[in-house]
Amino acid sequence: AQTVTQSQPEMSVQEAETVTLSCTYDTSENNYYLFWYKQPPSRQMILVIRQEAYKQQNATENRFSVNFQKAAKSFSLKISDSQLGDTAMYFCAFIWGYNNNDMRFGAGTRLTVKP
Amino acid sequence: GAVVSQHPSWVICKSGTSVKIECRSLDFQATTMFWYRQFPKQSLMLMATSNEGSKATYEQGVEKDKFLINHASLTLSTLTVTSAHPEDSSFYICSAPTSGTSTDTQYFGPGTRLTVL
Repeated sequence: AQTVTQSQPEMSVQEAETVTLSCTYDTSENNYYLFWYKQPPSRQMILVIRQEAYKQQNATENRFSVNFQKAAKSFSLKISDSQLGDTAMYFCAFIWGYNNNDMRFGAGTRLTVKP
Repeated sequence: GAVVSQHPSWVICKSGTSVKIECRSLDFQATTMFWYRQFPKQSLMLMATSNEGSKATYEQGVEKDKFLINHASLTLSTLTVTSAHPEDSSFYICSAPTSGTSTDTQYFGPGTRLTVL
């Protein structure tokens, strides 16, 4: 079974500090894709970062980076220099194979950035 | 990035009536669109895959006769909740990959909040 687990329902961080959100997944597939999506209070889902499983290099997007540990099936998101606008629900998502329409989402982590 | 819109953003209806939700890709063509449902404080659950020019594919447990999906053009998919009941109240979100394959980045609409009285 393909599953995504986010074990941290809520987290908080002080503005300008760094925070790491955890995500683990379970699959027997070799070809898959991992994503972090942000859902602010507006509820608009916004792509934060994407990682292809065949790439060893960790993806980075400005203040956002991932630690992709394929053997451990771990895909954590690090947010550096946290900003108030980073306050949101963060969902880890996973999709496998080609032309597979079933994107699985984790339960989400509610992140609050405190001033 | 690509833009996906949804209309309406919020709708209230009486039990037993039908409600149509539109999902549009504004600056790209989407041969495939996805419909998700999100209950309060929960994650997104895929309901169905909308395919342009063919029938939608529904996930297990989703009633296809209740949630009618029509993908009439390369930029528009509609979800109609028929004979809505209070338990259908939820947040409905659509998404579309720009390349047509689900492993491409999916862009999400802003969602539609449905309240059935």
